[in-house]
Amino acid sequence: DGGITQSPKYLFRKEGQNVTLSCEQNLNHDAMYWYRQDPGQGLRLIYYSQIVNDFQKGDIAEGYSVSREKKESFPLTVTSAQKNPTAFYLCASSMPGGYTFGSGTRLTVV
Amino acid sequence: KQEVTQIPAALSVPEGENLVLNCSFTDSAIYNLQWFRQDPGKGLTSLLLIQSSQREQTSGRLNASLDKSSGRSTLYIAASQPGDSATYLCAVREWGSGGSNYKLTFGKGTLLTVNP
Repeated sequence: DGGITQSPKYLFRKEGQNVTLSCEQNLNHDAMYWYRQDPGQGLRLIYYSQIVNDFQKGDIAEGYSVSREKKESFPLTVTSAQKNPTAFYLCASSMPGGYTFGSGTRLTVV
Repeated sequence: KQEVTQIPAALSVPEGENLVLNCSFTDSAIYNLQWFRQDPGKGLTSLLLIQSSQREQTSGRLNASLDKSSGRSTLYIAASQPGDSATYLCAVREWGSGGSNYKLTFGKGTLLTVNP
């Protein structure tokens, strides 16, 4: 079945560490996205990519970085510059129709 | 800047009741509107997608309507069941710069509880 796979499901980060969240899709979608979800704030766009080797900042890109070397993959790195990284992270992809979301990664700072 | 509002924020109903969830958006120049369901700690599951040229979409017990000119959409759930308990999110897809249509703006959701 086609879909989006996010890993790991749970991730713990120590202060000052960079961590990378994985997102893989086999839907042959061109566009991919990273959203952050916090209680009471809804989903906010971090980064998006409409094509391989190109990506754009979303509304809350500070402290995050991405790459898009393959159509299927869009990893997100949460850097030490992100001061409040504890959140639920969702990856999505789209065609000129609707969006498909992954099952999410819950990141906690310890 | 597009803003999406969902009312009510929470709703509790007895099993079997028909119910309506509301979504409003400030900029009517949208590409499409999508309703999602989210279970606790899970990702988003797409329920219905309405293109800007359409007025409604139906899937099983779900019916979503779109009134683009007034900036409103409703999700109607018939004969609600305890398994319908979840957070329901409305999201609007806009036209981006240069004709690209990338941006999805979400409401904060309606938490639905259906009591047996």
